Amino acid sequence: GQSLEQPSEVTAVEGAIVQINCTYQTSGFYGLSWYQQHDGGAPTFLSYNGLDGLEETGRFSSFLSRSDSYGYLLLQELQMKDSASYFCAVRVRPDNYGQNFVFGPGTRLSVLP
Amino acid sequence: DGGITQSPKYLFRKEGQNVTLSCEQNLNHDAMYWYRQDPGQGLRLIYYSQIVNDFQKGDIAEGYSVSREKKESFPLTVTSAQKNPTAFYLCASSIQGSGNQPQHFGDGTRLSIL
Repeated sequence: GQSLEQPSEVTAVEGAIVQINCTYQTSGFYGLSWYQQHDGGAPTFLSYNGLDGLEETGRFSSFLSRSDSYGYLLLQELQMKDSASYFCAVRVRPDNYGQNFVFGPGTRLSVLP
Repeated sequence: DGGITQSPKYLFRKEGQNVTLSCEQNLNHDAMYWYRQDPGQGLRLIYYSQIVNDFQKGDIAEGYSVSREKKESFPLTVTSAQKNPTAFYLCASSIQGSGNQPQHFGDGTRLSIL
């Protein structure tokens, strides 16, 4: 089966740094992505890791360790607008047919003033 | 501007009725996907299509059907066999075969039972 685990909730204050972890068990692995979703909205792409290591995009960074089946999203200089749900997603290739994505349950981030 | 358009934004279904959710994209993407999201939950894959006239079942395909007659369009029908259809439905598309290319999502359709 395919499963991803994330913490359900994280709370932090403005200006702080927060890390959201993701562990996965999937049959096949072709990369880990992160998406942000505000209440009632569509998910938007934040970051992608295909290889081990750290990827940095502005205030957001993402890390992957394939040997540990683990990744995280790091958000720095938190702002109120970062309050949202964050999802990790693993790209898989079932039966070598195309690609699809398995999503984690999501982590709800609340940023306090 | 390129993007994905889902319609309607809100949809109500009566018992025993089939309803169809529209998804259109002008991003020239080969791959398209349908997800279901329940409150406070992650996204679960219903169906996906890598190319016109071909599609595959995802994890929760029972009670749903799709077609892919045009590259731009991937409609989802929620049939009367789906006994618990109330959810937020999201359509997405992506470039085929490139892992670092993100999925682009539509704004979603909220389906409720009357």
